[in-house]
Order: sequence, then C-alpha cells, then structure tokens
Amino acid sequence: ILNVEQSPQSLHVQEGDSTNFTCSFPSSNFYALHWYRWETAKSPEALFVMTLNGDEKKKGRISATLNTKEGYSYLYIKGSQPEDSATYLCAFQNQGGKLIFGQGTELSVKP
Amino acid sequence: GAVVSQHPSRVICKSGTSVKIECRSLDFQATTMFWYRQFPKQSLMLMATSNEGSKATYEQGVEKDKFLINHASLTLSTLTVTSAHPEDSSFYICSARERGVPRSGANVLTFGAGSRLTVL
Repeated sequence: ILNVEQSPQSLHVQEGDSTNFTCSFPSSNFYALHWYRWETAKSPEALFVMTLNGDEKKKGRISATLNTKEGYSYLYIKGSQPEDSATYLCAFQNQGGKLIFGQGTELSVKP
Repeated sequence: GAVVSQHPSRVICKSGTSVKIECRSLDFQATTMFWYRQFPKQSLMLMATSNEGSKATYEQGVEKDKFLINHASLTLSTLTVTSAHPEDSSFYICSARERGVPRSGANVLTFGAGSRLTVL
C-alpha cells in the first residue's frame, strides 16, 4: 500500500502570515505530483502538476517545490489571505497513471 | 475552463434503497471518469475507473455489484449505490479526464463538487 502523507493536518494563521505544508510520497514508481485546492462545497481545483526532480512552480502567491529523490513536495503561500482558506490536497501519480491522494492540509486564515 | 457537474450534492435515503449519483462534463468530452469515496478525516480513495463504452475497472475491495458504474456517453457517468446501508454513508466524488489527453500523461483532472450520502 502506497502512503501519501500530508502535514500538518490543519493550520490556523493570521492574514499576512506566510505558511508552508508538506506532502511526502513514495520515491519509487513516481510519475507526477499534483496539488489541488479544495474549498468547502466546491470542486477541487488544480494548482500544480510537477514531474521533474527540482521542479518549482508558482501561481501568484502560491508556489510549490518537488524532490522526487527523497519523496517530498512543499507548498508555500506568501502573505496568506482569508480567501486562501481551503483544504490543500496533494496526489502522487504513479507510472500507471493512478492518483493516490493525501489526507489534505486544512488551512484557515483569520482576518 | 473544464467543468464537471455532480448531482445530487446531498442525498438521504433509507436502508435498502438504491441511490444514483450523476457526473456530467459540461464543456468537454470525458473518455475516462474516476469515482472516489472519502470517509471523515481520510483521503480520497479511488473506487473505480470508467471508460466510455466499456466496463468499469474496480479497485481491490470495492464491490462491483454494490457500486454500479455506467459511462454510457462521453459526457455522463453514473454511480449507483445499490441496497444502500448505513456503512455506505460517505462522501462520493467524481473526476474526469478529457478526451484526447494521454492516459499516461501528467494530466490534471477536473472534479465534481461531490455528493454526501447519508443512509438511515
């Protein structure tokens, strides 16, 4: 059984704080690492897909890095805003195309 | 952008009844749809993969006679929970891969908003 672990499980920050969370995944049979943003009562929204060791992606105040050799990815949010409040999911995609999700990190940003 | 509409968003049913959940791709054709289930505080677990016009592929431990999946068209896939029992109460969510996107590619999936099933 492949485990994708996300930490922390939940995070409460003040508006303006920068924050980061971690996704750890198996380093074997790796194809891609996905990050999704999931607001309550909405559909998960794709943020990034990364495939190469050392990949860094950025979208506005959100960025992500990938280390396939050691099996982790970081998601960073700079200057958190209340609208960033959501659950952030990572998913490990194996060579066969299957996605295995972590439990998510629930972020709450207080004004 | 691509949108997947999932209905109903919430359903409450009596034990022993069957419930159908629909996922429609609104502005694209989805050759493949994935169905997931999520229990509280747990991750999304893949239940089955359905390809348009063929039988669904179920993950280990998922009863195919219990969870009937139909993907009869390029824009619609349905999940029917047959003879539902309280232990089937869960959050069910679908995602779709657009036609033409390589199966083996690092492709992004488009999700529905999920359906919360409560079996009394």
